[in-house]
Amino acid sequence: QKEVEQNSGPLSVPEGAIASLNCTYSDRGSQSFFWYRQYSGKSPELIMFIYSNGDKEDGRFTAQLNKASQYVSLLIRDSQPSDSATYLCAAPTDSWGKLQFGAGTQVVVTP
Amino acid sequence: DGGITQSPKYLFRKEGQNVTLSCEQNLNHDAMYWYRQDPGQGLRLIYYSQIVNDFQKGDIAEGYSVSREKKESFPLTVTSAQKNPTAFYLCASSDETGVSMTQYFGPGTRLLVL
Repeated sequence: QKEVEQNSGPLSVPEGAIASLNCTYSDRGSQSFFWYRQYSGKSPELIMFIYSNGDKEDGRFTAQLNKASQYVSLLIRDSQPSDSATYLCAAPTDSWGKLQFGAGTQVVVTP
Repeated sequence: DGGITQSPKYLFRKEGQNVTLSCEQNLNHDAMYWYRQDPGQGLRLIYYSQIVNDFQKGDIAEGYSVSREKKESFPLTVTSAQKNPTAFYLCASSDETGVSMTQYFGPGTRLLVL
C-alpha cells in the first residue's frame, strides 16, 4: 500500500506568520503532488499542484518538492484567520487518476 | 455554471435499508470517483470510473455499489451490507490522466444512521 503521511496537528500559527506543513510519501515513483484545503464540514478544494523538484509559488502559497528525500511541503505566508482549515496532501497511485490522500494537517491561525 | 453537484446534502438511513447518493457533473470529465471521509481522517477511495459503463473497486468497496450509465452521472448505493455507513461522502471528477490528474470535488453528502 503506497502511503502518504502528514502530521495531524493542530498546527497553531500566529496571524501574519508562516505556516509550514510537511508531507512524506512512500512511493519513489510518485511524480506529482496535490495540496487541498478543506474547511470544516466542506469538501476539499485544490490550492496547489507540483510536479517538478524545487519550489512553486502561487500567491501566499509555496509548495516545495524534494523527490530524493520523498517529501513535499506547503508554506503559507502572512497567515490569515481564513487559512484555518485542514490541509490534505495527495499523490497519484497509478497513471489513471487514483490519488492517495494523507490524513491532513489541521492549521489554526490565531489573531 | 460548471461544477459537480451531490444530493442530498444530508441523508438518513434506517437499519437494513439501501440508500443512493447522487453525483452529477457538467464539466465533461471522463473520470469520476467516490470517497468516504470519517472524522479526523483522510479520504478513502470507494469506487472510481474512467469511462462510461466501466468502473473499478477502490480500497473500501465492500458494502457499496455504483453504476456509470452516463458520462455526467455516477451514483453510489450504500447497501445494508455496509455496517458502519456514517460518514461524509465525496464525489470527484477529473478530465486528465497521467501527471496532472487534478480531481475536483462536489460539496459532499453526510450520511447518518437512525
